[in-house]
Parts: sequence; C-alpha cells; structure tokens
Amino acid sequence: GDSVTQMEGPVTLSEEAFLTINCTYTATGYPSLFWYVQYPGEGLQLLLKATKADDKGSNKGFEATYRKETTSFHLEKGSVQVSDSAVYFCALASGGSYIPTFGRGTSLIVHP
Amino acid sequence: GAVVSQHPSRVICKSGTSVKIECRSLDFQATTMFWYRQFPKQSLMLMATSNEGSKATYEQGVEKDKFLINHASLTLSTLTVTSAHPEDSSFYICSAARVAGGRDNEQFFGPGTRLTVL
Repeated sequence: GDSVTQMEGPVTLSEEAFLTINCTYTATGYPSLFWYVQYPGEGLQLLLKATKADDKGSNKGFEATYRKETTSFHLEKGSVQVSDSAVYFCALASGGSYIPTFGRGTSLIVHP
Repeated sequence: GAVVSQHPSRVICKSGTSVKIECRSLDFQATTMFWYRQFPKQSLMLMATSNEGSKATYEQGVEKDKFLINHASLTLSTLTVTSAHPEDSSFYICSAARVAGGRDNEQFFGPGTRLTVL
C-alpha cells in the first residue's frame, strides 16, 4: 500500500539557516504530493503541493520538487525564521483519491 | 476560500459523558468529510469518512458505536464520542474535500478539537 517516510525530528536550527526535511514515498500510479504544516495547538494547513513529476511546489519561501526517479519530495527553505517552528507533514494521495496518506511528521524548532 | 471550522476548539468532560464535535465547511459544499485523530507527536490517523446523506465508513479498528458520525448537510458533519473515557483524550481534526476525484485533489483541514476526558 501507499506509504510516506519522513526524517525523524526534531530538527533544530538557528534563524536564517538552510532547511531540508527529507520525504520519500511508496505508491502505485502517479500520486499527488503534499506538505502540510501544523503550528502548535492548531490544525493542518496545506503548505505546498505538486501533482506530477518534476513539478515544484512553493509557498512562503518553502519549496519541494516531485522527483519520480527517486520517489522523493524533500522540503527546503533557504533561510528559516523562528515563526517557521512547527510540525511538517509530508503526504500523498493516489489517483483520484483525496484521502492523503501522511508521514509521521517532522518537528522543526528554530532558535533566534 | 475553502475554510473549515470546528467547534469547540477545546472540551473537558467527565468520564462516561458524551461529547459532540462539529465540523463545518464555511464557504463551500463538501459531499465528503473526514475525521482524524492525532496522538501527541504522532501523525494523523484517519478514523472515518463521512458522506452526506449516508452512513460513515470507518477505518479498521475504529469503533463505530463509540464514535458516532453524522453528515447532516453539505456543510456540516458531527463526531460524537459516546461514553468518553480518559483514553479517548486526543486531538480530533476534521477535513473536507471540495473536489470529488481528479488529480488536483485536496482536503481542507479544520483547526482541531482538543478533547480531555477526566
């Protein structure tokens, strides 16, 4: 079945550092890929998405590229801020399904 | 657009009581809504899929008599935790799908409800 594997956290960075959170997936067909962000005490917000191979999703300085050959969708940001501290979830949805399969989440902590 | 709300945001109840959580799509119609449960520092676990006008579909291991779901309209789904116990304490999140099928599928998530059972 479908699955998503994320790097374990927490990831602790200083402000303005470069961020990478790795995500790989296993799926049948050609899934859509998502990154969601969950700020403390809140629900999930869609951060970015990509629906086909080589697409790059981007939002708020975050980027992720759909790599079919490596089945990856790594999240990157060039310069993190304290306000980026949150839990980030990688997810996929296969075919016509709109039910995402989520990774376990990666906690990001950014220090001033 | 595509805002989903939940009410209440936090609830504390005594063991043995029932608690109802509402999920509303504010600016779109959602034929399908989803209920998730999130344990501390873990991912979201899909509990059930709620379809307007029909019975909910529960995931394996989720007690349908314990977690009653009603999707009364195209903008409202409710989750009732019956005879709640401390082990039911969790963060419950709903989501709504605006587009039925297709590659550009997306769910919109509510802000979550923190349930604490004493």
